[in-house]
Amino acid sequence: AQSVSQHNHHVILSEAASLELGCNYSYGGTVNLFWYVQYPGQHLQLLLKYFSGDPLVKGIKGFEAEFIKSKFSFNLRKPSVQWSDTAEYFCAVNAPPPGSARQLTFGSGTQLTVLP
Amino acid sequence: KAGVTQTPRYLIKTRGQQVTLSCSPISGHRSVSWYQQTPGQGLQFLFEYFSETQRNKGNFPGRFSGRQFSNSRSEMNVSTLELGDSALYLCASSGQSSTDTQYFGPGTRLTVL
Repeated sequence: AQSVSQHNHHVILSEAASLELGCNYSYGGTVNLFWYVQYPGQHLQLLLKYFSGDPLVKGIKGFEAEFIKSKFSFNLRKPSVQWSDTAEYFCAVNAPPPGSARQLTFGSGTQLTVLP
Repeated sequence: KAGVTQTPRYLIKTRGQQVTLSCSPISGHRSVSWYQQTPGQGLQFLFEYFSETQRNKGNFPGRFSGRQFSNSRSEMNVSTLELGDSALYLCASSGQSSTDTQYFGPGTRLTVL
């Protein structure tokens, strides 16, 4: 079965620090990869997604992620975090066939706290 | 454009009861997926419906079921509730293409006593 690992459960940074959140998945075939964010009291929303093409994907709010197939990784980065980035971040991957592209397997999440 | 709506937002039930949760997708979306979110297990896929047909089902017991109506609204039902069913149930909708973004609703918080 597909699995997704997010090794950092809680990350605490000061404003303006750089961010990198790790995400590794297990399936060796073609994958679609996602990062979702859940701000306090809000819905899950999509930060960015990778389906194919350029492995460096840019998302909303200055976030980007790099797909490295050989490492089964899709790490999320932001050069300079803000207090408003405090949230929980989830990495997700679609199910391998015959599963649907909409059937997502999520990592356990990383709580990011940015100190002002 | 209105987002995904879920009703009710909060629900308290006792063991052995059954519950029905509702999800209204974004207008024009025909795919609805359901997820269960708990502190211990995280976000887990329950099932996906597209044009009233269940396309995929996650690894949950048969007590968990769902359906989708012709207007794309979806319901999920949990029968014979157990304490472990306490969770946030999230619904997500998306368009026809498999590359379309899934938009999540606010969830229904179910507490089983």
